Amino acid sequence: DAGVIQSPRHEVTEMGQEVTLRCKPISGHDYLFWYRQTMMRGLELLIYFNNNVPIDDSGMPEDRFSAKMPNASFSTLKIQPSEPRDSAVYFCASSLIAGEWREQFFGPGTRLTVL
Amino acid sequence: GENVEQHPSTLSVQEGDSAVIKCTYSDSASNYFPWYKQELGKRPQLIIDIRSNVGEKKDQRIAVTLNKTAKHFSLHITETQPEDSAVYFCAAKGIMGGSYIPTFGRGTSLIVHP
Repeated sequence: DAGVIQSPRHEVTEMGQEVTLRCKPISGHDYLFWYRQTMMRGLELLIYFNNNVPIDDSGMPEDRFSAKMPNASFSTLKIQPSEPRDSAVYFCASSLIAGEWREQFFGPGTRLTVL
Repeated sequence: GENVEQHPSTLSVQEGDSAVIKCTYSDSASNYFPWYKQELGKRPQLIIDIRSNVGEKKDQRIAVTLNKTAKHFSLHITETQPEDSAVYFCAAKGIMGGSYIPTFGRGTSLIVHP
């Protein structure tokens, strides 16, 4: 298995533009997580899905952020409109049954820079 | 929800010394405590984990201890090597939205000087 795949790996955009980050989880994993990592706030959970259904989006910073998972092998995180403070590394992670002791596998991350 | 505090934020040691990173958690229902290592520019990867029914676990040079009563757990690295330099994250897995979801600490930047 190729592991969790994210694209793009780097994104540079201007303030006000729409940004779409993509994630393909490990085949068979039924939980998918989106994280944001910054120096100031560390690793923050934005939202997670179980069997393609959003379960908890309490970490999504504001309405400019939205996430979808149309099928078991694909998820998107969209920021519209983007702002400089959204600059961060965004990680997608998946796990097989978020049970009590299941490991999360992280993707390589997308480094977003909003000018 | 769960709250995880991690200390120190930065740890600098000489090669061969031991390093200890400590975490506390708030939710007594949390029952799984993984540790992730993130090398510069890379993704976090699991290095060791411990379940709540175990007090200590070792894997070669790394070990994790858990004190459920005090709600804290620690990562111990012995005989540190330059390749141990990375950011280490602790996490506690508690209930969120009906599922067990990990809450991460802020991370510890470990620097091992040759």
